[in-house]
Amino acid sequence: ILNVEQSPQSLHVQEGDSTNFTCSFPSSNFYALHWYRWETAKSPEALFVMTLNGDEKKKGRISATLNTKEGYSYLYIKGSQPEDSATYLCACGSSNTGKLIFGQGTTLQVKP
Amino acid sequence: DVKVTQSSRYLVKRTGEKVFLECVQDMDHENMFWYRQDPGLGLRLIYFSYDVKMKEKGDIPEGYSVSREKKERFSLILESASTNQTSMYLCASSLSGITGELFFGEGSRLTVL
Repeated sequence: ILNVEQSPQSLHVQEGDSTNFTCSFPSSNFYALHWYRWETAKSPEALFVMTLNGDEKKKGRISATLNTKEGYSYLYIKGSQPEDSATYLCACGSSNTGKLIFGQGTTLQVKP
Repeated sequence: DVKVTQSSRYLVKRTGEKVFLECVQDMDHENMFWYRQDPGLGLRLIYFSYDVKMKEKGDIPEGYSVSREKKERFSLILESASTNQTSMYLCASSLSGITGELFFGEGSRLTVL
C-alpha cells in the first residue's frame, strides 16, 4: 500500500506567523496530489489538486508546491489567522491502484 | 450549493446490530466513496463505486458491505457491528477518479457498545 506521510503532526503558531507543512509520498506511479482543509464539526474541503511536477497553486494566503520526482508537496500559509486553525490532509493517487491514499494530517492551531 | 448529505451525524449501536449509513449527493457524480477516520491513522478507504450497481473494495473492506442502487445514493452496511468499528465515517463523491476533488459529507460518528 502506498505510504503517505505528513509532518509535523501538529503545529501551534501565533496569529500573523507564516507556516508550512510537508506531505511525502512514493514518487513511483504518481498520478495526483490533493490537499484538504478539515475544520472541526465541518466537512473536509478541497484546497488544491495537483498533477504536474513543479506545479504551484495558490488560493488567497495559502499556496502549495509539488515535486513528483522526489515525492513531496509543501503547503504554505502566509500570515496565519485564527480561522486557519484546522487539520490539513494530503492524499496521493497512484496510477497503478487508481485510489487516493491519505496522510495522517497536520493539525494547525493559530493563537490570536 | 453542492452537497453530500450523510443520514446520521451520531449513532450508538450495540455489538451484533446491523447498521446502515446512508449518503446522498446532488452533483450527479459518478464516483462515490466511504472512508473511516481514526486518530493517528488518517482517512482509510473502505469501499468505492464508479457507477450504479458497481462496487470496489478499498483498503479495509472487512466487516462492511455497500449498496449503490441509484447514482446519487451510496450506502455503507455493517452486517454485524463490532466495537472495533467505532469510528468516524465519511462519505465523498467526485466527478473524475483520482484527479477530481472529493466533496465530503459532514461525517457520521458511530459508537458500538
